[in-house]
Amino acid sequence: EDQVTQSPEALRLQEGESSSLNCSYTVSGLRGLFWYRQDPGKGPEFLFTLYSAGEEKEKERLKATLTKKESFLHITAPKPEDSATYLCAVREGSQGNLIFGKGTKLSVKP
Amino acid sequence: GAVVSQHPSRVICKSGTSVKIECRSLDFQATTMFWYRQFPKQSLMLMATSNEGSKATYEQGVEKDKFLINHASLTLSTLTVASAHPEDSSFYICSADRQGETQYFGPGTRLLVL
Repeated sequence: EDQVTQSPEALRLQEGESSSLNCSYTVSGLRGLFWYRQDPGKGPEFLFTLYSAGEEKEKERLKATLTKKESFLHITAPKPEDSATYLCAVREGSQGNLIFGKGTKLSVKP
Repeated sequence: GAVVSQHPSRVICKSGTSVKIECRSLDFQATTMFWYRQFPKQSLMLMATSNEGSKATYEQGVEKDKFLINHASLTLSTLTVASAHPEDSSFYICSADRQGETQYFGPGTRLLVL
């Protein structure tokens, strides 16, 4: 059973069409939920870390929120350059490593 | 954000060759670094956790004699793919843990074994 599940797998938006990506998790003792952006052929780029339910963080057109079971990455008025795969990962308990979801591939058409 | 580099970015080698990949944290010290492998259209798979001054911890199914990890300093970890074969072809990515908070990733190394 996957501990981190992202949905949808792929999302196509028109430029300016706001939407949200979902990351649900089942780990106990959450020690951080992380959002990364990955462009093809490149390493993940850090976006946000969230630690507790109710926490929100924003960066340009992106806003990440966290509940006890899931996190949302809201994209407001996206642009074509926001096209990428967005990865969610959690750090559990005493573990140092991250557990990644499979990602959501976002395509924004002009 | 913090900067992590990897070298080389791309390598093509013949089967049986050993390949060494370097991962450096450029603007912070990292007690812990991680090595991941990513297949096309798949997410990152953790291979091993590299701790400075001690032996790496390998994930289940990862051969420690095949993927040799050395974390010689607080800013450098290396991954050596010993006697590489075509099935080792993949995208290898490292990350460095800054103060136990956030992992910052390198740009990745594309390995193609012929």
